[in-house]
Amino acid sequence: DAGVIQSPRHEVTEMGQEVTLRCKPISGHNSLFWYRQTMMRGLELLIYFNNNVPIDDSGMPEDRFSAKMPNASFSTLKIQPSEPRDSAVYFCASTSGGRLNTEAFFGQGTRLTVV
Amino acid sequence: QKEVEQDPGPLSVPEGAIVSLNCTYSNSAFQYFMWYRQYSRKGPELLMYTYSSGNKEDGRFTAQVDKSSKYISLFIRDSQPSDSATYLCAMLEHAGGTSYGKLTFGQGTILTVHP
Repeated sequence: DAGVIQSPRHEVTEMGQEVTLRCKPISGHNSLFWYRQTMMRGLELLIYFNNNVPIDDSGMPEDRFSAKMPNASFSTLKIQPSEPRDSAVYFCASTSGGRLNTEAFFGQGTRLTVV
Repeated sequence: QKEVEQDPGPLSVPEGAIVSLNCTYSNSAFQYFMWYRQYSRKGPELLMYTYSSGNKEDGRFTAQVDKSSKYISLFIRDSQPSDSATYLCAMLEHAGGTSYGKLTFGQGTILTVHP
């Protein structure tokens, strides 16, 4: 398996524009997590899904952020409208579920810069 | 107060030194304790995990958990320049079931091992 795949790797956008980040989890994994990482705040959990259903979105900072998982192999995180303070590295991770879900596999991340 | 506290450093040591990285936590329900390693511009990868209290050794790495003190440590012996990375502690209440593998991370400690 190629691991968790995120796209794009880098995104530079202007304030006010819509940004969509994409994630393909490892095949067979049934939990998917979106994290945001900054120097100041570290790695923050934004939202997570189990079997494509959102379980907890309490980490989503504002209504400008939304996430979907239309099927087991694809998820999106959307920011509309984007603001400079959204600049961060966004990671997607997946776990296998069951008693072996102690390991989260991370993608390479999307480095977002909002100017 | 954050559930998991970790000194972000940075920590700089000479090659061959013994490195000690630490985290404290407040949630008594945590049972699984992990260390992730993150190289620059990469996603975090699981380095070691320990269930409940005790020690676990893997080559030059030793993980220790003291649940009575709510304190975990990672020791790196004979540190190498290739160990230069950010080390994140992470914790999980339980595996399987409704935990979905949701991890709570520390902020990460930036480690540099110089030749």
